[in-house]
Formats: sequence, structure tokens, C-alpha cells
Amino acid sequence: SSELTQDPAVSVALGQTVRITCQGDSLRSYYASWYQQKPGQAPVLVIYGKNNRPSGIPDRFSGSSSGNTASLTITGAQAEDEADYYCNSRDSSGNHRNWVFGGGTKLTVL
Amino acid sequence: QVQLVQSGAEVKKPGASVKVSCKASGYTFTSYYMHWVRQAPGQGLEWMGIINPSGGSTSYAQKFQGRVTMTRDTSTSTVYMELSSLRSEDTAVYYCARTPGGGMDVWGQGTTVTVSS
Repeated sequence: SSELTQDPAVSVALGQTVRITCQGDSLRSYYASWYQQKPGQAPVLVIYGKNNRPSGIPDRFSGSSSGNTASLTITGAQAEDEADYYCNSRDSSGNHRNWVFGGGTKLTVL
Repeated sequence: QVQLVQSGAEVKKPGASVKVSCKASGYTFTSYYMHWVRQAPGQGLEWMGIINPSGGSTSYAQKFQGRVTMTRDTSTSTVYMELSSLRSEDTAVYYCARTPGGGMDVWGQGTTVTVSS
């Protein structure tokens, strides 16, 4: 099955811009989705498709993709953005009905 | 409102099976595929499989092939995930999550399964 690779941890100063990346061969064929997870809570979808935000997600969250890398950008990070972030896409290596998650990135807002 | 409500916490002995339910409400049950995802303590998200509530077809992660069974009951708008031959490494929070095709947009609250002798 495919793998998605994320940096384990990233930090950003309050109000600054941060990019969280996700690499994998499946991203050449499929868009990534991005999820925010805070301690003790279920994940929340923040970006899906080319660059779509579900209702209620602030517009400081955006997504992009190039080659085998997908990125989640937070422009003007807020304290409440401190969380774990996971990317997810379909698996392109075998059964295309299968999906895969990245290992997650812990975002610290300083 | 759209909701996925999962069954309560379970404690199982090694070798046993567990069946977790996920009841959908607020939308047309058969119009959205459902994923199952788990998260071991302190670890990341792990995709387990997907079920089409309309026809019942499934696809499972290779890691769980032979041990997991996903089913649905359209009369009650409920999907089920059964995991057999439990071992301590299966201790995790199990989530169901709806997908309209791009991303998992609604998640259940999670069900904690503890495997311990």
C-alpha cells in the first residue's frame, strides 16, 4: 500500500504563516484531505479536494498540491490552531478503494 | 443535524471479538460511504476499511484482511465494524467517518476498545 510522510512536528509564531507538508506517490493521482485533531477529540476535516474548506473552517486554512507533495497552509496562525494535523488520500498502489493516512504533524503555536 | 453516534466503550480479553456500531442520522444513509479509522493511544490515525451502505460492498486495509468485517443495516441506518482475534495492540479508539467522496466530513465520537487479560 502507499505511504504518506509528514514531518512529526512544526512550530509557528502567533500570527505567522505555517506550511505543513505531506509526501507520497498517491498524491500524484489523488488530492489529499487534511484533518485537525485536538487532544481527546475526533478529527475535523479542514481541507478536501483541490482546495475546499467545509462550512465553518476559517479561510486562513488553505491547501495546495504539486507533484507528490500536498501542503496545508495556515495564514496567520492562531492559538486555537495548535493541534495534530493529518493528511489522507486514496491508495494508488493497489486497491484504489483503499485509503491511507500520513503519520501526523504536531503543530505548536508559540 | 448530521450525526454519527457510536456504541459505548468495550473491554475484551485477547482472542475475543468486538463489534462496534455507528448509527447515522440527519442525512440519507445510503448516499454516503462510511470509513472506519482507529487510533492507538498516543499514535496517529490508521485507516481500516470502507463500506458502501447502499450495496454493502466493502474494502479493507491489507493489515486487517481476515480479521475485520464491516456490515450495515439500512433499516436502522447503522454500520458495524467487527474485529476478531483481538490482541493488546488493538487497544485503540475506533471511529466511523462519513465520506461524500472527498474527505471524511462527519465523524463519530469514537469508541474505546481495550484489550486486556
